[in-house]
Amino acid sequence: AQSVTQPDIHITVSEGASLELRCNYSYGATPYLFWYVQSPGQGLQLLLKYFSGDTLVQGIKGFEAEFKRSQSSFNLRKPSVHWSDAAEYFCAVGALETGANNLFFGTGTRLTVIP
Amino acid sequence: DTGVSQNPRHKITKRGQNVTFRCDPISEHNRLYWYRQTLGQGPEFLTYFQNEAQLEKSRLLSDRFSAERPKGSFSTLEIQRTEQGDSAMYLCASTPTGTYEQYFGPGTRLTVT
Repeated sequence: AQSVTQPDIHITVSEGASLELRCNYSYGATPYLFWYVQSPGQGLQLLLKYFSGDTLVQGIKGFEAEFKRSQSSFNLRKPSVHWSDAAEYFCAVGALETGANNLFFGTGTRLTVIP
Repeated sequence: DTGVSQNPRHKITKRGQNVTFRCDPISEHNRLYWYRQTLGQGPEFLTYFQNEAQLEKSRLLSDRFSAERPKGSFSTLEIQRTEQGDSAMYLCASTPTGTYEQYFGPGTRLTVT
């Protein structure tokens, strides 16, 4: 069965600083990987996805993520954080065999941005 | 493209009552999903439809829960005899044919008192 671990429950960064949010997954084959962002009281917005090919994927709002099969990781990065990036971030994994119809989410990382 | 919409946005009910939520997916998205999200947790998969067929159900979907998607358009999620443990955000998502990206609605927050 798939599972996702986001080791950092809460991260605080200064505006303009770089950001890396960690995600480790457990899955026996090639996973489909996603990062979503959720603002308070809102649904989830897709930031980026990885299905195959280039292991460095670009997303919206200046985010990128790198798939590292050897480390079972899919960390999210942003070179310069803006105050509007404060939100909850979720990593999710889906199974290739089921067309990623059943996504497993991590418990999320809450990002606080300080001036 | 108006996005996935969910109604109501908030629902407060007393334990033992039945509630029904509605999800309208993005037009022409053939797959529709329901998730439940409790405080401090990520969403948990409940069920999904391809067109009008319900193809997978999680063990989280007890007998008190039922979902339908008549005519493959909007979907409803009903919870019978609500319990306090049902208090959560219920999220709906949809996916167009040929892709794997799930687009989420704003959710319905259920509070059972």
